[in-house]
Amino acid sequence: GNSVTQMEGPVTLSEEAFLTINCTYTATGYPSLFWYVQYPGEGLQLLLKATKADDKGSNKGFEATYRKETTSFHLEKGSVQVSDSAVYFCALGGRGGSNYKLTFGKGTLLTVNP
Amino acid sequence: EAQVTQNPRYLITVTGKKLTVTCSQNMNHEYMSWYRQDPGLGLRQIYYSMNVEVTDKGDVPEGYKVSRKEKRNFPLILESPSPNQTSLYFCASSLSIQGNYGYTFGSGTRLTVV
Repeated sequence: GNSVTQMEGPVTLSEEAFLTINCTYTATGYPSLFWYVQYPGEGLQLLLKATKADDKGSNKGFEATYRKETTSFHLEKGSVQVSDSAVYFCALGGRGGSNYKLTFGKGTLLTVNP
Repeated sequence: EAQVTQNPRYLITVTGKKLTVTCSQNMNHEYMSWYRQDPGLGLRQIYYSMNVEVTDKGDVPEGYKVSRKEKRNFPLILESPSPNQTSLYFCASSLSIQGNYGYTFGSGTRLTVV
């Protein structure tokens, strides 16, 4: 079935540091890939997505490229801010086994210090 | 504003007392789904619905029921809650069952069963 593996946190960075959160996946077919962000006490918000190989999703300074050859979708940001502190989830969409669903990684807690 | 609305946000109940968590979306989405989020386990799908009167089990359906009588509503029913159903619950909806457009999530319902 489908699965997503993302680097476990927590990740602690200083403001303006470079961020990478690794995400790799296993899936049949050609799933769509997503990064979601969850701020404290809130629901999940779609951060960015890519629907086919070599697509680059981007939003709010975050980027991720759909790499089919390495089955990866790593999240990057060149200069993080304190307001980026949140939990980040990598996910893939499509049919996982008999279910239609998003399959999530376990999440990575990011803390950015001033 | 396009949104998924869940109620209540917080709920404390006792073992065995039936409860319903409501979910409503205003985007005319066909696909809706329920997830639970638990520390160390990430997000797991409980049930999903591909359209009115069409529902199916997700990965962890035991102890839950759902119904989809109208397109906009997808309530989650716990007939006899138990402490192991203490969790953070999210409802989500999507334009496509394949998930290509991503999901829109509600703000979550934190349930405690004592």
